[in-house]
Amino acid sequence: QVHLVQSAAEMRKPGASVRVSCKASGYIFTKYTISWVRQAPGQGFQWLGWISTFNEQRYYEHKFQGRLTMTTDISTNTAYMELRSLRSDDTAVYYCAREVVAGAPEAFDIWGQGTMVTVSS
Amino acid sequence: SFELTQPPSVSVSPGQAASITCTGDALPTHYASWYQQKPGQAPVLMIYRDNERPSGIPDRFSGSRSGTTVTLSISDVQAEDEADYYCQSGDSSGMDVVFGGGTKLTV
Repeated sequence: QVHLVQSAAEMRKPGASVRVSCKASGYIFTKYTISWVRQAPGQGFQWLGWISTFNEQRYYEHKFQGRLTMTTDISTNTAYMELRSLRSDDTAVYYCAREVVAGAPEAFDIWGQGTMVTVSS
Repeated sequence: SFELTQPPSVSVSPGQAASITCTGDALPTHYASWYQQKPGQAPVLMIYRDNERPSGIPDRFSGSRSGTTVTLSISDVQAEDEADYYCQSGDSSGMDVVFGGGTKLTV
């Protein structure tokens, strides 16, 4: 069974940073990129970017550049997403997701369960 | 980046067919995907690359495109199909991924 299991919910104050983990199992980790997507309460989805688990090539959506970092640890099949300088409008469920077609991160068939990040003073 | 526009809601009776549209200027050059999301759950991929179904997705779900509009069609709608549906577009390089605003399907 292919799974992505994410870390637990987090609460942060404005200006702080948060790191969310995403542990993969059931497939060859380095064969598929991992993307990150968020969903604010009651809202739609917003794509943050992706990271290659093979060579750590990254692509971030332009509005997050400068405060977003994606990394991977192939020894533990885990991807990480760190968002800095948090604001209240970063409050959302953050999902990691695997591309459905290897090497083409334009659609996602396996999703983590989501990690709620709450930013509040 | 570009935008994808979906109707906020669609209503259908059980056993009937439903169609949900998604419009965007970049769609002619980008693949389209569709996701189903039920309350409190992660999204589920229903259609990718316009009309491909992942394994396990019933063939009642199909995708099509015409110009700047892509459509998710659901035949013989079941009560369990009641959910939010999101279109999403991107090219194979992954440089331009966008989601539509979502459509609430009421059965």
